[in-house]
Amino acid sequence: VIWMTQSPSLLSASTGDRVTISCRMSQGISSYLAWYQQKPGKAPELLIYAASTLQSGVPSRFSGSGSGTDFTLTISCLQSEDFATYYCQQYYSFPRTFGQGTKVEIK
Amino acid sequence: QVQLVQSGSELKKPGASVKVSCKASGYTFTSYAMNWVRQAPGQGLEWMGWINTNTGNPTYAQGFTGRFVFSLDTSVSTAYLQISSLKAEDTAVYYCAGGTIAVAGYDAFDIWGQGTMVTVSS
Repeated sequence: VIWMTQSPSLLSASTGDRVTISCRMSQGISSYLAWYQQKPGKAPELLIYAASTLQSGVPSRFSGSGSGTDFTLTISCLQSEDFATYYCQQYYSFPRTFGQGTKVEIK
Repeated sequence: QVQLVQSGSELKKPGASVKVSCKASGYTFTSYAMNWVRQAPGQGLEWMGWINTNTGNPTYAQGFTGRFVFSLDTSVSTAYLQISSLKAEDTAVYYCAGGTIAVAGYDAFDIWGQGTMVTVSS
């Protein structure tokens, strides 16, 4: 099983801020990492796959980087609609695993 | 458009069974695997397993063996999750999710059902 450590669990930020979320794997996963955004009462939505590929329709203020064991999601200029919970997920091996989540709240 | 539509919320008593459906449209159902993900109230996402939509072969994550069954009806492009002997701790939102951008079996989940809330309470 590949364990994932996502940090921070809670991030307080203001509109316009640049924020970063980290995801660290217990073993290398090449670039088989995805990032999802989830808003209350809604299904998760894919933001980034293959560590750095932006899903169609996702604003360019979202970006992903990393490979192997260390990955980062960056939101360059936080907008009001970005306040949500973010999850990383590895799809390199079974079982698929998710990070614990990062809630981005208004400061 | 490509979408997954799940069945509605369920309220069940402990010991009962429930069957959640997930109907796919907008793509060839048998082209991509179907995954199931659980989210307990206030908690994170937990991958339950997946089913090969070509062969019907299911794979269950640890903790989801025995009482959980994935199945298909390819004639109506629908996947099912059945949970038997329900317990209070099964109370959660259950999502189906697929990866239409999959490459060589590596699939991030780009399509999700809207979720089905299953509440187990006496």
